[in-house]
Amino acid sequence: DIVMTQTPHSLSVTPGQPASISCKSSQSLLQSDGKTFFYWYLQRPGQSPQLLIYEVSNRFSGVPDKFSGSGSGTDFTLNISRVEAEDVGIYYCMQRIQLPITFGQGTRLEIK
Amino acid sequence: EVQVVESGGGLIQPGGSLRLSCAASGFTVSTNYMTWVRQAPGKGLEWVSIIYSGGSTYYADSVKGRFTISRDNSKNTLHLQMNSLRAEDTAVYYCTRWADYWGQGTLVTVSS
Repeated sequence: DIVMTQTPHSLSVTPGQPASISCKSSQSLLQSDGKTFFYWYLQRPGQSPQLLIYEVSNRFSGVPDKFSGSGSGTDFTLNISRVEAEDVGIYYCMQRIQLPITFGQGTRLEIK
Repeated sequence: EVQVVESGGGLIQPGGSLRLSCAASGFTVSTNYMTWVRQAPGKGLEWVSIIYSGGSTYYADSVKGRFTISRDNSKNTLHLQMNSLRAEDTAVYYCTRWADYWGQGTLVTVSS
C-alpha cells in the first residue's frame, strides 16, 4: 500500500498569514501518461470532505485561488496564501494511482 | 448540479447486516467510478470500496468478503451491502463520485 505522510499534524495561523502543508508518498504518483494522481481535501468541522486540488495543482470548481498545490513524484505541498476563519478544518492528501486508495493522516488548521 | 445523498445507516448489533444507498443526481452512476469512504469517530479517512464504470469491484482488506458494492442503473443509485458487521466498522460512510463529489455521509454504529 502507498503510505501518505502529512506534516505538520496541526498548525495555528494568524488570519491573513500564509500556511503550508506537506504530503509525502511512499511511491511515485506519476503515471506513464504524465498525470499525477494526487489530491487535497478540506474537511470543515461537522462537514464532509470537499475536494480542493486535483492532480497536484488544479483547483476544483469553486475553490478560491488562495489555495494552490505544487509538487511532483512523491513530494507535494498545499499553500494557502491568506488564511481566513473559513479555512479552519482538517486537510487531507490522497492518492489514487493504485488501490487501495490511501489518505494522509490529516493536518488540523486552526486560527490564532 | 452534481449531488450524492447517502441513506441507510443506523444502529446494528455485531454480526448484523446493513445496506447503504447513495442516490446520485446530475450525473450517471454507471458511467463513473464510484467509491465508498468511511471515517470512524474522531479518526481519518479510510477507503472502503470502488466500482469502476466497467463493473469491476475492489475492496479494502478490512472489509473484503463482508461488504459488497453494487449499483442500480435504473435508479442511478449506488449500494453497499455490509454483512458480518463488527464494532470496528462503526463510522460515517461517504459515497463519492471518484472522490470529487462527496455526500454528507450516513452513520453506521455497530454495538450491542
